[in-house]
Amino acid sequence: DAKTTQPPSMDCAEGRAANLPCNHSTISGNEYVYWYRQIHSQGPQYIIHGLKNNETNEMASLIITEDRKSSTLILPHATLRDTAVYYCIVRDPAHQTGANNLFFGTGTRLTVIP
Amino acid sequence: KAGVTQTPRYLIKTRGQQVTLSCSPISGHRSVSWYQQTPGQGLQFLFEYFSETQRNKGNFPGRFSGRQFSNSRSEMNVSTLELGDSALYLCASSLDRWGNEQFFGPGTRLTVL
Repeated sequence: DAKTTQPPSMDCAEGRAANLPCNHSTISGNEYVYWYRQIHSQGPQYIIHGLKNNETNEMASLIITEDRKSSTLILPHATLRDTAVYYCIVRDPAHQTGANNLFFGTGTRLTVIP
Repeated sequence: KAGVTQTPRYLIKTRGQQVTLSCSPISGHRSVSWYQQTPGQGLQFLFEYFSETQRNKGNFPGRFSGRQFSNSRSEMNVSTLELGDSALYLCASSLDRWGNEQFFGPGTRLTVL
């Protein structure tokens, strides 16, 4: 199930962009890339997901390389409240077992520094 | 719209006892998934319920079970508790089973003594 590789930790200065990388070199054509984060002592929170085009929402941007083997989650202006563990997950939403049995892996612990 | 609610938030039990945790999904959501989070194993998928039927099950022993009611509310049960069952149990709801975002509750912190 460990289809993604993320750095264990990263620091980012408050107000700067946080760029969190994820490698998913074995991703299949039907698999989407999902990002969730977990702030300490809370349940995970969905951030964004995409297939091959770049995606943006009010929280973040997702940049997926053309070969889809890696992606980057961008938090444009990181705040202290963005300190969390960020999980990159690949999943086929039409998989025969459904798409809600997520494998979270170890994620990247992002620390935003004042 | 109310979020996912879980009760109780904290629970202390002793080895050998059983426990039932409850999850109320977001209104209109039909899929409920359960996860266990421990410092050693991280976030692990337990099972998913949809339309009152268990659709998926993770790699956990039969002591872990669950059910879903017609109003989509779900319960999970752990029998014959072991020390290693101490964990944060998270419930997540989703509109359906096919890739929509999951909304997580705050979790139930279970401590087994």
